[in-house]
Formats: sequence, structure tokens, C-alpha cells
Amino acid sequence: DVKVTQSSRYLVKRTGEKVFLECVQDMDHENMFWYRQDPGLGLRLIYFSYDVKMKEKGDIPEGYSVSREKKERFSLILESASTNQTSMYLCASTRFEQEAFFGQGTRLTVV
Amino acid sequence: GENVEQHPSTLSVQEGDSAVIKCTYSDSASNYFPWYKQELGKGPQLIIDIRSNVGEKKDQRIAVTLNKTAKHFSLHITETQPEDSAVYFCAASMRNNNDMRFGAGTRLTVKP
Repeated sequence: DVKVTQSSRYLVKRTGEKVFLECVQDMDHENMFWYRQDPGLGLRLIYFSYDVKMKEKGDIPEGYSVSREKKERFSLILESASTNQTSMYLCASTRFEQEAFFGQGTRLTVV
Repeated sequence: GENVEQHPSTLSVQEGDSAVIKCTYSDSASNYFPWYKQELGKGPQLIIDIRSNVGEKKDQRIAVTLNKTAKHFSLHITETQPEDSAVYFCAASMRNNNDMRFGAGTRLTVKP
């Protein structure tokens, strides 16, 4: 059973905190993604990675960074959390032209 | 990068009717077009996909059509059932699927 696991289902953080969202996949996929999901805006791509230590900016990278030190793990970092980063965050992984598998999502609230 | 537009944002149908969701994309180099279904509290899951060398694909009650010239593709669900109620996303990608972009989603409600 293939799996993408996000470290937390719910998180509450304070403004200005450094926040780490972790994602692990067990399918040996090359590509991993971080999306943000907001009502009416769909899934917006924050960053993606197509190999270890490789990363590319998506459509809304401002305020975020990522780390991919190992193939199975892709971390999203909010350097200084702000209230406008309150959202649902989804991690996904894929192989070349194959379906994407998503984690269950992390609902982050910044207060 | 790729821009994907999806319509309608909400769709309500009676059980047994058909539902159609449409998407357009901007980059003619896109060559892979998946559709995902997201149920409440879960991550999206693939329901059907189509590649640029195919015009239509069908899987039981679900079908997808692709018009490369017009750069649009559609999801068709026939004989809808209440369990089809969910949010549906289209997506487009190219170049090894490492820059997948999604539409804004369609909330489908099937009334019994």
C-alpha cells in the first residue's frame, strides 16, 4: 500500500515562529511537491523537487523554503510564520507521467 | 508556468444525471492531464488521466476528453450517485510531471 505521510494533521503556531512541515513517501518517487489549498483557489504549487537537493519554485514560494536531503523526505519551512499562511498544506509525490499520491494534509493555523 | 482554469466552481445534479467539468490549459507543451477527487478530510486521489496522444479515455462511468488544438479537456460522469459528491480537480503537467499545476476545483453535489 503506497503511502505519503505528513507529520502532523493539525498544527497551531504563533506569528513569527519557524515552522517545519515534514513529508515522507515510501514509493521511491523522484518528484515531490508542496501545495497550499485554500477555498476557491484550488491547489497552488509552493515548491517542487525532482531529485535530492534539487528544488524549484512554484507559483507562490514567498515566505517558504524547502529541503530535500533524502529522496523519501521533503520538508516545507515557514521561516517566520504569518497569519496569511494559515491554510491546508498538501504534500504529493509522483514518478514520470504517473499519478500523484497525496498525503492527508496538514491544517496549519497561525495565531 | 502552466495556468489551468476549471469551470464550474460548483455543480449540483440529481442522482442519475450526468455531470461535466471543463478545464483549459495555457501551455501547449503540457502532455499529461489527470483528474483527482478529494473527499472531505482526505488528500486528492486520482480517478482518471489522459495523455496527449489520446483524445478520449473511459473507465466505467467516468470519461475524459482532450482537445489539444483548443487546449481544453473535460471530465464526464454518467449515472451520478451520492458517493460521487466531492471536490474534483483537473491538472496539467509536462516535462516528467515535475511541475504539475491544478485547477481551482469543482464542488460536485449529487442529490438523492
